[in-house]
Amino acid sequence: GENVEQHPSTLSVQEGDSAVIKCTYSDSASNYFPWSKQELGKRPQLIIDIRSNVGEKKDQRIAVTLNKTAKHFSLHITETQPEDSAVYFCAASTTAGNKLTFGGGTRVLVKP
Amino acid sequence: KAGVTQTPRYLIKTRGQQVTLSCSPISGHRSVSWYQQTPGQGLQFLFEYFSETQRNKGNFPGRFSGRQFSNSRSEMNVSTLELGDSALYLCASSLPESSYEQYFGPGTRLTVT
Repeated sequence: GENVEQHPSTLSVQEGDSAVIKCTYSDSASNYFPWSKQELGKRPQLIIDIRSNVGEKKDQRIAVTLNKTAKHFSLHITETQPEDSAVYFCAASTTAGNKLTFGGGTRVLVKP
Repeated sequence: KAGVTQTPRYLIKTRGQQVTLSCSPISGHRSVSWYQQTPGQGLQFLFEYFSETQRNKGNFPGRFSGRQFSNSRSEMNVSTLELGDSALYLCASSLPESSYEQYFGPGTRLTVT
């Protein structure tokens, strides 16, 4: 089955700096890659997603890149703010259904 | 539009008992997926239901089962509870015909003692 690896597991950045989280996946049939943010005690929420026919997608301070050949995708957060502190999850989906395989999560701490 | 709701929000059970959790999807969403979240194993897919049929299944033992009703509401059941079943159980609803975006409910925190 699909396997998603996520790095780093923790990331500490200074406010205003950029944060980058990287994920690799194993199944070349994966075609949908969402990123979710989970604040302490809350549910995961989708922040951005990308499909296999797109190489890059941007939404304000957040961007995601996808390299299908290398089977990896990354989340970039620019101009980080304290409210960006949370756990971020990457995921991959291979089927027409809604089965997401998640990475292990990255705990991001933005220091003011 | 109301979000995904899950009941109960918190539950304490004893080893060997069984439990049923409920999930009501966003109106119009016909796909419901269930996930288990633990500190050690992270977020793991349990199963997905669409049109009252299990469409996808994760790698969990047969003690974990689910079903979906004609109004798209879903339940999951865990029989013969073990201490390791203590977790946050999240359901997510989606429009299966579209972008696969999943909307998560608040979760049910299950503690097995």
